[in-house]
Amino acid sequence: DQQVKQNSPSLSVQEGRISILNCDYTNSMFDYFLWYKKYPAEGPTFLISISSIKDKNEDGRFTVFLNKSAKHLSLHIVPSQPGDSAVYFCAARFHRAGSYQLTFGKGTKLSVIP
Amino acid sequence: KAGVTQTPRYLIKTRGQQVTLSCSPISGHRSVSWYQQTPGQGLQFLFEYFSETQRNKGNFPGRFSGRQFSNSRSEMNVSTLELGDSALYLCASKQVSGANVLTFGAGSRLTVL
Repeated sequence: DQQVKQNSPSLSVQEGRISILNCDYTNSMFDYFLWYKKYPAEGPTFLISISSIKDKNEDGRFTVFLNKSAKHLSLHIVPSQPGDSAVYFCAARFHRAGSYQLTFGKGTKLSVIP
Repeated sequence: KAGVTQTPRYLIKTRGQQVTLSCSPISGHRSVSWYQQTPGQGLQFLFEYFSETQRNKGNFPGRFSGRQFSNSRSEMNVSTLELGDSALYLCASKQVSGANVLTFGAGSRLTVL
């Protein structure tokens, strides 16, 4: 059962425009959400996160929005740059058996076209 | 500070063989998690180790196992390899078990023929 869903496998955006990556979740017990970026032949790297008690977190060109009622979060990249081309994974944290775990979506491949 | 180191980076095995992958976490990180990444399924959680104890396990068959040593280094083993085990195996560490941010290694790419 995929509790974190990224329904768009890929997204293409022109350089300088906004990239919006979406993520939906089903488990209301998730209390923290993270975005990771992955380049080929490298491991995922942490990008930005948001607590479930907030609705927005901003870090430079990256902003994450959380809509708890809709169980939806999105990552906005403005302006998009060619170096942003990567696979983006949405992750959600939950508590299980005495520790916190992350469950990931399947990823969205972003291509920023120069 | 050195990152998470995984070895080997690439390996090819045949069906029925077994494989052992190694992970050295960031110094001071005591929690190590393993994930399997495949094109169709994204990142799927295998297991987490903390202070040499398995804390959590994902929905994988018993052919997948792991362990952690006293220096926090971890290994995972897959026995009786199947074609479907071909994947990128990622190790991630964090400082304490409850921390949010995992730091990933570059992964071990396993191909099963």
